[in-house]
Amino acid sequence: QLQLQESGPGLLKPSETLSLICTVSGVSITSTAFYWAWIRQSPGKGLEWIGSVQKSENVYYTASLKSRLTISVDTSKNEFSLKLNSVTAADTAVYYCVRQSQHYDFLTGGWADVFDIWGRGTMVTVFS
Amino acid sequence: QTVVTQEPSFSVPPGGTVTLTCGLTTGSVSTTFYPSWYQQTPGQAPRTLLYNTNTRSSGVPDRFSGSILGTKAALTITGAQADDECDYYCVLYMGNATWVFGGGTKLTVL
Repeated sequence: QLQLQESGPGLLKPSETLSLICTVSGVSITSTAFYWAWIRQSPGKGLEWIGSVQKSENVYYTASLKSRLTISVDTSKNEFSLKLNSVTAADTAVYYCVRQSQHYDFLTGGWADVFDIWGRGTMVTVFS
Repeated sequence: QTVVTQEPSFSVPPGGTVTLTCGLTTGSVSTTFYPSWYQQTPGQAPRTLLYNTNTRSSGVPDRFSGSILGTKAALTITGAQADDECDYYCVLYMGNATWVFGGGTKLTVL
């Protein structure tokens, strides 16, 4: 059964680096059928797509975090990770790792992505 | 910067029909934005409802449907039930391998 599990420190101080790992079970992370995404949700707020990775070759980031963000894949451990530098209180959120599937749409000739399998999320708090 | 818009809140009586929308501050939503919809109850991870405008995810009942209505993507819930009371989020593909969530709609069933 496909499962995603986030792990990492729950508390950070401003200016530190947030490092999270998502362990994937039930499917190979090297499959070209999927991307692997990070999505976060600040307390009481909406969801925010952070970035996506496919193997280690295709990596995409949201513009607002791009300068501080690294997402990568460790195929030997079947996991992917997020590193966010210089955190502030604004980075306090629940961080979800998510499988992103692609479906070809013959009508449009393009690919419809869906965030279809979610981890349970891990709460990260930045406080001084 | 283009923002994805959703109604902050909506109310529907039990058994009623409600349509939630997902728009843009600039421009119109079309099928090439590949809208998808997610349902989230408090304290839980989101659950996928629909993708590619109107394709239901596995296990999602057919009382949830998607469409493009005018300039927006739409999620219609027919025969609303008490456990439909939660938050609903849409996501749009903005091109250049970027996706943007709407701010979410809090649905009340009463």
